Amino acid sequence: KQEVTQIPAALSVPEGENLVLNCSFTDSAIYNLQWFRQDPGKGLTSLLLIQSSQREQTSGRLNASLDKSSGRSTLYIAASQPGDSATYLCAVRPHGSSNTGKLIFGQGTTLQVKP
Amino acid sequence: DAGVIQSPRHEVTEMGQEVTLRCKPISGHNSLFWYRQTMMRGLELLIYFNNNVPIDDSGMPEDRFSAKMPNASFSTLKIQPSEPRDSAVYFCASSLGFGGVGEKLFFGSGTQLSVL
Repeated sequence: KQEVTQIPAALSVPEGENLVLNCSFTDSAIYNLQWFRQDPGKGLTSLLLIQSSQREQTSGRLNASLDKSSGRSTLYIAASQPGDSATYLCAVRPHGSSNTGKLIFGQGTTLQVKP
Repeated sequence: DAGVIQSPRHEVTEMGQEVTLRCKPISGHNSLFWYRQTMMRGLELLIYFNNNVPIDDSGMPEDRFSAKMPNASFSTLKIQPSEPRDSAVYFCASSLGFGGVGEKLFFGSGTQLSVL
């Protein structure tokens, strides 16, 4: 059974710091992995989607990497800003989910960037 | 596009009452998902539609839950009768479909359900 783990559960950093959020999954047989951002009281916003054949994706100050063989992904945030404060979740679409679109989510890392 | 639209934003009801949550996906999206989020269990997929057809409802907790998608622009999730343990945030999400960036998921703002 696929399980997704995100450590740490919470992180607080000063503004301007570069930081890395971690995501691990137990079964390397996945179609893709997505990183989402969730602000309090809001829905999730997809930040980056990495296909299983890809190693990384970049969008602005965000860079996500994927190492399928080791079951790990990282989300790198450069020059963090207070506006980056949110909960970040990763989710995998496992093999065997064909035609279901089912994503398995981690519990998220709540990030606070202090001015 | 206005994004995925859910209503109501908040719902407070008493145990035993019927609750209906509504969702309008992004125009042109072929896949629609209902998720439930709680502190204890995180995000759980309840049901998934593709081209208005339910594909996977294995996440629906029990017979009290039902979902419909009568057309490409509207879906409902109904709970009858509701119970306190159903209290959660219910999200609707949509995507273009399978393959590549088409799988990028767009979420609505959610319905905060409280069953007293």
